[in-house]
Amino acid sequence: AQTVTQSQPEMSVQEAETVTLSCTYDTSENNYYLFWYKQPPSRQMILVIRQEAYKQQNATENRFSVNFQKAAKSFSLKISDSQLGDTAMYFCAFMKRGGGGADGLTFGKGTHLIIQP
Amino acid sequence: ETGVTQTPRHLVMGMTNKKSLKCEQHLGHNAMYWYKQSAKKPLELMFVYNFKEQTENNSVPSRFSPECPNSSHLFLHLHTLQPEDSALYLCASSRSGTSYEQYFGPGTRLTVT
Repeated sequence: AQTVTQSQPEMSVQEAETVTLSCTYDTSENNYYLFWYKQPPSRQMILVIRQEAYKQQNATENRFSVNFQKAAKSFSLKISDSQLGDTAMYFCAFMKRGGGGADGLTFGKGTHLIIQP
Repeated sequence: ETGVTQTPRHLVMGMTNKKSLKCEQHLGHNAMYWYKQSAKKPLELMFVYNFKEQTENNSVPSRFSPECPNSSHLFLHLHTLQPEDSALYLCASSRSGTSYEQYFGPGTRLTVT
């Protein structure tokens, strides 16, 4: 079984600052995916970024980037030039790469990120 | 605009009631999922369906009964629930075999009284 740990229940930064959210995971799988999802007050889960474990290059999506350290089983999310709309719960999630392609996600408890004006 | 819809958005039911949650995806996906989001616990996977076949039941009590009549629709039938079943129930879908992104619906907020 997999576990995902997010050790920061809440973080608060000023608008335009850079913030890094931490995530560690434990698994015996070698092929898997890692994700960061965002859940704003509307409760709609939105995919922010994903990383394939076999890729050494860190994923980047505009202001969002990850620092993936496979040996350390660490997967942090960096948000640059933070904006008020980034205020949300952020969940780190793990999915093993199965043959059928329909595998559930294992989530961390989440980090509540607050962007202050 | 989300391609995954869920109805109802809010539901209050007594412990002896029977109700159903509905999920519909308009994305042409083959796999569908139910997750439970409680206040004190991480999101928990409940069920996985792939091409209408249940492929995973994450030790969910039998008072939750899923149904997947086709790849676009997923139901969660509820009966004799407990107050601790109060939670946000999220449905998701994905394209199986080639993709791995799961798209979520807005959820149903369930309160058991």
